[in-house]
Amino acid sequence: GAVVSQHPSRVICKSGTSVKIECRSLDFQATTMFWYRQFPKQSLMLMATSNEGSKATYEQGVEKDKFLINHASLTLSTLTVTSAHPEDSSFYICSASRPTATGPSSYNEQFFGPGTRLTVL
Amino acid sequence: GDSVTQMEGPVTLSEEAFLTINCTYTATGYPSLFWYVQYPGEGLQLLLKATKADDKGSNKGFEATYRKETTSFHLEKGSVQVSDSAVYFCALRPLYPYNQGGKLIFGQGTELSVKP
Repeated sequence: GAVVSQHPSRVICKSGTSVKIECRSLDFQATTMFWYRQFPKQSLMLMATSNEGSKATYEQGVEKDKFLINHASLTLSTLTVTSAHPEDSSFYICSASRPTATGPSSYNEQFFGPGTRLTVL
Repeated sequence: GDSVTQMEGPVTLSEEAFLTINCTYTATGYPSLFWYVQYPGEGLQLLLKATKADDKGSNKGFEATYRKETTSFHLEKGSVQVSDSAVYFCALRPLYPYNQGGKLIFGQGTELSVKP
């Protein structure tokens, strides 16, 4: 168990349009989901932490008005890239967190989605 | 702040060679440490983890030992295969502050290429 899906896996859009990416935990409830951005041959950069039913916490330097995150249920978080531009082209990866079977709540384990390749023309 | 540093890649090895990918960290207290693997075009998969000093994580022939004294978590495998070609990420989960939901800090990744 602990499968996380993302949809779409790949999207191409025109500059100025908005794109929504979905992240779902398929077989567990995730109170916390994370959104990462990965540039070619580089590490994952945490964009924001999303908690169900509350506003997302954005990392320093990430524009919250450009990258809208909604975590409406315990199994779904969405990332909307608004007014996308070519520099937003990237690989976006989400992860969902759940507590391990034993230990304190701080020992949450993250399970990653397969990623979404966004290309803005 | 907390950070992770990995050896730069790409690392190119012949099949059955010994692999070491170095990872060092800076953190407050005793973070949990992880190695993730990313195959081309895919998301990350947890390879192994260690949650306290001197723990050894192991999986699929890979292993890493949590060394508090050297703040390191080097990844090793005795005999690599072509199928091990991927990007490997070292990561830490901070101990403080609590209740971050498992926030992870990643190293820059090391690309491994294994030739037959």
